[in-house]
Amino acid sequence: SAVISQKPSRDICQRGTSLTIQCQVDSQVTMMFWYRQQPGQSLTLIATANQGSEATYESGFVIDKFPISRPNLTFSTLTVSNMSPEDSSIYLCSVETYTGTEAFFGQGTRLTVV
Amino acid sequence: GESVGLHLPTLSVQEGDNSIINCAYSNSASDYFIWYKQESGKGPQFIIDIRSNMDKRQGQRVTVLLNKTVKHLSLQIAATQPGDSAVYFCAENPPRGGYNTDKLIFGTGTRLQVFP
Repeated sequence: SAVISQKPSRDICQRGTSLTIQCQVDSQVTMMFWYRQQPGQSLTLIATANQGSEATYESGFVIDKFPISRPNLTFSTLTVSNMSPEDSSIYLCSVETYTGTEAFFGQGTRLTVV
Repeated sequence: GESVGLHLPTLSVQEGDNSIINCAYSNSASDYFIWYKQESGKGPQFIIDIRSNMDKRQGQRVTVLLNKTVKHLSLQIAATQPGDSAVYFCAENPPRGGYNTDKLIFGTGTRLQVFP
């Protein structure tokens, strides 16, 4: 398994501003992913964070809105840019370890945009 | 804590009874499936997984059944306890371009409420 820490756990932000969410894992992992969970909804994959290269985005998500970094095998950031109230969601970091295929999740970042 | 799944289908069971949560998946070529449990204010927690070459897999108090013919997955929880109250999601790992990927597609989720 892997222990995943996300920061911040929650935030209230003004529209038009940006927020960077950090994901730190206690061990090296193969894959890191970012998901969004809107209120009352299931999880939707935003992108795969690739170590040392640009992230791979899913349909409907673009780099200008959700820039992602992954400078090493244990850390990644997701930025929510130029926020609007529609960006209010829980953002979750997920990782896959070298030992298995199941994905582990952080506790999530609860973002409210006002 | 925060509440997720406010508008999700709900299954209400009495403590001690068995629970069955169902999920329909989308891609007939998916070869790996996972059930997650999400408690309020927390991220999804891995419960059990199953590969497409199996029909059934058992864990501690949980069993996952896979019916590939109708693309259906179920999670059975034996002797349901109050601590089992949460939102449960199934997830599938579909191939893309003929290759298996590590990306997961999540189902809509079911809220399980356990009454004493």
